[in-house]
Amino acid sequence: SYELTQPPSVSVSPGQTARITCSGDALPKQYAYWYQQKPGQAPVLVIYKDSERPSGIPERFSGSSSGTTVTLTISGVQAEDEADYYCQSADSSGTYLVFGGGTKLTVL
Amino acid sequence: EVQLVQSGAEVKKPGESLKISCKGSGYSFTSYWIGWVRQMPGKGLEWMGIIYPGDSDTRYSPSFQGQVTISADKSISTAYLQWSSLKASDTAMYYCARHRELRKHNDAFDIWGQGTMVTVSS
Repeated sequence: SYELTQPPSVSVSPGQTARITCSGDALPKQYAYWYQQKPGQAPVLVIYKDSERPSGIPERFSGSSSGTTVTLTISGVQAEDEADYYCQSADSSGTYLVFGGGTKLTVL
Repeated sequence: EVQLVQSGAEVKKPGESLKISCKGSGYSFTSYWIGWVRQMPGKGLEWMGIIYPGDSDTRYSPSFQGQVTISADKSISTAYLQWSSLKASDTAMYYCARHRELRKHNDAFDIWGQGTMVTVSS
C-alpha cells in the first residue's frame, strides 16, 4: 500500500524557520495536506492543496511542492507551534488517502 | 456553526461488537464526504475510510478493508464506524472528520469531531 515518509522529529529555536518534509511517489500527481496536532486535541488543518492556508491559520505557515517531496515551512517559529505535524495525500489513482508517520516539532 | 459530535468513550471486551457515531450539524450533511481516522495510543494518524452520505458511496483503506464497516444515516445526519468482533489491538482514539470541499472524495479534512476513545480489554 501507498506510504508517505516524514522525519520523526525536527527541532528549532524560537524565531527560526522550521521545515518539515514529506515524501511519496504520487505527490507529483496528488495534492498534499498538512495537519497540526497538539497533545489531547484533534488535528487541525493548516495547509491544503499543497500551499493554500485555511482561514484563521497564521501566515507563518506555508507549504510547497517539488517532485516527490512536499514541505511545510513555519517561519518565525513560536513556542505554541510545538506539536505533531502530519502530511496527507492520495495514492496515484486517487482511490484512498494516507497520512505520513508524523513529525514532532520541538521548540527549543 | 459547522460541527461533528461523536459518541462517548467505550470499554468493551474482545469479541464484542461496537458501533460508534458522528453527528454532523450546521451544514448539508449529504453533500460532503466524512471519514474516520484511527490514532492508537502514542502513535500517528491512520486514514481508515470515507463515506458520501448522499448515496452511501464508501472507500476504505486497504489496511482497514474487511476489518470495519463505515455507514451513514442521512435522515439523522449521522455517520457510523462499526466492528463485528473487537480485538485488543482496536484500542485507540477514533476521529470522524469532514472533507473541505463539496462532493470531493480526494480532499483534506477541515472539520473534526472530538474523538471517541475505544478500549478493548478482557
